[in-house]
Amino acid sequence: NAGVMQNPRHLVRRRGQEARLRCSPMKGHSHVYWYRQLPEEGLKFMVYLQKENIIDESGMPKERFSAEFPKEGPSILRIQQVVRGDSAAYFCASSPPNNEQFFGPGTRLTVL
Amino acid sequence: AQSVTQLDSQVPVFEEAPVELRCNYSSSVSVYLFWYVQYPNQGLQLLLKYLSGSTLVESINGFEAEFNKSQTSFHLRKPSVHISDTAEYFCAVSGGSSASKIIFGSGTRLSIRP
Repeated sequence: NAGVMQNPRHLVRRRGQEARLRCSPMKGHSHVYWYRQLPEEGLKFMVYLQKENIIDESGMPKERFSAEFPKEGPSILRIQQVVRGDSAAYFCASSPPNNEQFFGPGTRLTVL
Repeated sequence: AQSVTQLDSQVPVFEEAPVELRCNYSSSVSVYLFWYVQYPNQGLQLLLKYLSGSTLVESINGFEAEFNKSQTSFHLRKPSVHISDTAEYFCAVSGGSSASKIIFGSGTRLSIRP
């Protein structure tokens, strides 16, 4: 059983471009969480999704950020019109219902 | 609201010395508590967790943590550290159900000197 997979592992974008980060949960996991880790800081919760539903988006910035977890395919975290302050490591975690979260290796986004 | 405080941002210790990484939390509901380890340029790995039952929990590589409800603490300890323990350690808490967001502390960087 492969672990949580994230791609790309590294992503470089120029200011104003769009960033798309993908997360494939572990087999059998129907819950996905996204966290952001700014340099020299801990992880901050962004959003919690189940298939086709956003359950908790209390940590998502109000603008430019969106997330989805479609019925088929990976979960996508989308950042429009990126700015330098979006540079961070973005981690995805997955879990079965009511159980431990397993973290992926992260995507490191650099905005030039 | 829940929060986690890691009192030390950096802890330098000599190899084979004991270490304690401190963690305090606040929550109005019963919680699950975790310690995660992040090696350089890698993702997070779960080190150990407290869900219920015995307040002393152990990991497979010699770390242990004790849940102290009265002091709202979950300090991480190891009696003798190795160079390979060099990493960032994050204390974390989640709510009454583990299928909810995890709140992380700011991390403690453990550096081991030979």
